[in-house]
This record gives sequence, C-alpha cells and structure tokens, in this order.
Amino acid sequence: LAKTTQPISMDSYEGQEVNITCSHNNIATNDYITWYQQFPSQGPRFIIQGYKTKVTNEVASLFIPADRKSSTLSLPRVSLSDTAVYYCLVGPRNSGNTPLVFGKGTRLSVIA
Amino acid sequence: DADVTQTPRNRITKTGKRIMLECSQTKGHDRMYWYRQDPGLGLRLIYYSFDVKDINKGEISDGYSVSRQAQAKFSLSLESAIPNQTALYFCATSDRASGSQEQYFGPGTRLTVT
Repeated sequence: LAKTTQPISMDSYEGQEVNITCSHNNIATNDYITWYQQFPSQGPRFIIQGYKTKVTNEVASLFIPADRKSSTLSLPRVSLSDTAVYYCLVGPRNSGNTPLVFGKGTRLSVIA
Repeated sequence: DADVTQTPRNRITKTGKRIMLECSQTKGHDRMYWYRQDPGLGLRLIYYSFDVKDINKGEISDGYSVSRQAQAKFSLSLESAIPNQTALYFCATSDRASGSQEQYFGPGTRLTVT
C-alpha cells in the first residue's frame, strides 16, 4: 500500500477555505484516494474518494494532479463544527485483499 | 437504529480479566474490522475479516483474538487484559461488492484496564 504523509495539525478561522494536502509518492496505478473525517469520540466518516482530476460533493472537493503523487482536500468556508481529524488513505478501490491504513491524520482546529 | 452497533459502550476491567467486545451490523456487508485508537496515534488495525471464514491479523494483533460468528457479528476478545490495552475500540464494516473504499464505523467502546 502507498505510504501517505499529511500535516499533523492545521488551524483556521471560521469562514475560510481550508486545504489539506496529502503526499503519496508511490501511489499505484489502480489506487484510489479516500478521505475520512473523525470528530472526537466518534468513528471516522467517509468524506470523498477520487482517482484523478477533481471530485466535488456536498461536503468537500478533492483535487488530484496529473501525476497523482499528492492530493488536496478542500473544505469551503469552514465552521467550528468542521473541527476534526482528517485522514488520507490510498489503496485499491475495493481495498483488494489488503485493508487500508489510516495513519495519524491531520487535526484541524477551526477558531471563531 | 444504528447500522453498526458495539457493546458495551464503556467498560472498566481489572488487569488479567478476560473481556469481549461485540460488534453487530445490519448493513449486510461482508467485511468487518476492529481498530484501536489511542490519543494522538490515529487508528490502528487489530484484526479484519473479509468473510465469515476469513480472519486476518492487522498491525497490532498481539494480546487480542477475534471470532466471526456470522456475517453480521464480529467479536474482539482480550484474553488477559493489561493496562496498555486501555483505549477506544472501533468496529467497522465495508462491502466489497460496492467497489468503494468506504468503511462504516460503530460508535466505539471505551475500555479502561486498571
């Protein structure tokens, strides 16, 4: 499985756009990029998944450059309720025979 | 009703005791997972099961065992609990047929070993 690297923590003010970048230099051809969000004392929640270019849903956007060696999760106009840990995972779309690795994630703190 | 349930939600036990954490799901998913979370360490995989007859060790399986009693049930046991097993434990499920990496997590079990 591709190793991922993301910042340990980030701070942002309410109303700003937040971009969290994940590096995955050894991503494989059949790997997808998936992001999860975890609030304190809750299980992680799937946010978005993509393979290339741009994916957008009601929660976030995911930008993936042509070389796919990194990806950026974009949260528009964050609020206090977006304070959470965000995990970047890379692996085959249905996990194949190897489960994905969550890592330590990025702790986002949104300040009023 | 929640799709993925865990019992108990909180448990305090003493060193050396055997304890079982249970996970049930109504999503009809074939894959189930047990994770452990310690402060600042993210989620670490303990065991996973891709179907009823399949059990696999994860990153940190020492001191734990599991049982997949049915497609909907996946239990985690600590044969002889020790204080450094104090943590938040999550069960999760996923569906291979969906073609997605999405896992669905339970509410967690907070375990304290004294």
